[in-house]
Amino acid sequence: EIVLTQSPGTLSLSPGERATLSCRASQSVSSSNLAWYQQKPGQAPRLLIYGASSRATGIPDRFSGSGSGTDFTLTISRLEPEDFAVYYCQQYGTSSRTFGQGTNLEIK
Amino acid sequence: EVQLVESGGGLVKPGGSLRLSCAASGFTFTTYSINWVRQAPGKGLEWVSSISSSGSYIYYADSVKGRFTISRDNAKNSLFLQMNSLRAEDTAVYYCATSVGVQSYFDYWGPGTLVTVSS
Repeated sequence: EIVLTQSPGTLSLSPGERATLSCRASQSVSSSNLAWYQQKPGQAPRLLIYGASSRATGIPDRFSGSGSGTDFTLTISRLEPEDFAVYYCQQYGTSSRTFGQGTNLEIK
Repeated sequence: EVQLVESGGGLVKPGGSLRLSCAASGFTFTTYSINWVRQAPGKGLEWVSSISSSGSYIYYADSVKGRFTISRDNAKNSLFLQMNSLRAEDTAVYYCATSVGVQSYFDYWGPGTLVTVSS
């Protein structure tokens, strides 16, 4: 099973700042089968990024994904108030899909 | 508009059983794989199970293998999760989510249904 480790656990930033979230895999993620999700309190997760770098439908272009192999990054170029939430990475390249433990992006 | 609505959650005693349902609408159900993901209170996301569009391919997390059974009824646009031998650690909100292929990202999610396993 591929273990995904996200860092940092909590990120405190202000609106307008740039956010960089990391997701590291215990082994290579095949074909960049990595996704990022955003979850707000009391809501279901929402797909942001798939294939490591492709934005899902309706996702603003301030969200971008990059990386390959074992190291992946989600970048939010300029934080808006609605971006403060928990973010999860997920690999779907194996029969046992796994999620990272999440990064809590909070307002500083 | 894609809609997924889970139902069937509730309070059950340890060792008991529960059957969750997920009603789908707004898309061609027979062309999508469907997945169950759970989230324990205050915790992160955990993938539970996936089933391909035809039902031919099924996968389970080790934590539920042998206790949970996923199935689908394509005629009724419905997905099911039969949960047996429930444990306290199965307490969670259970989400159903679509994916284009059985090994693909999860693009649409339902609001979830809460399962509580407690005596």
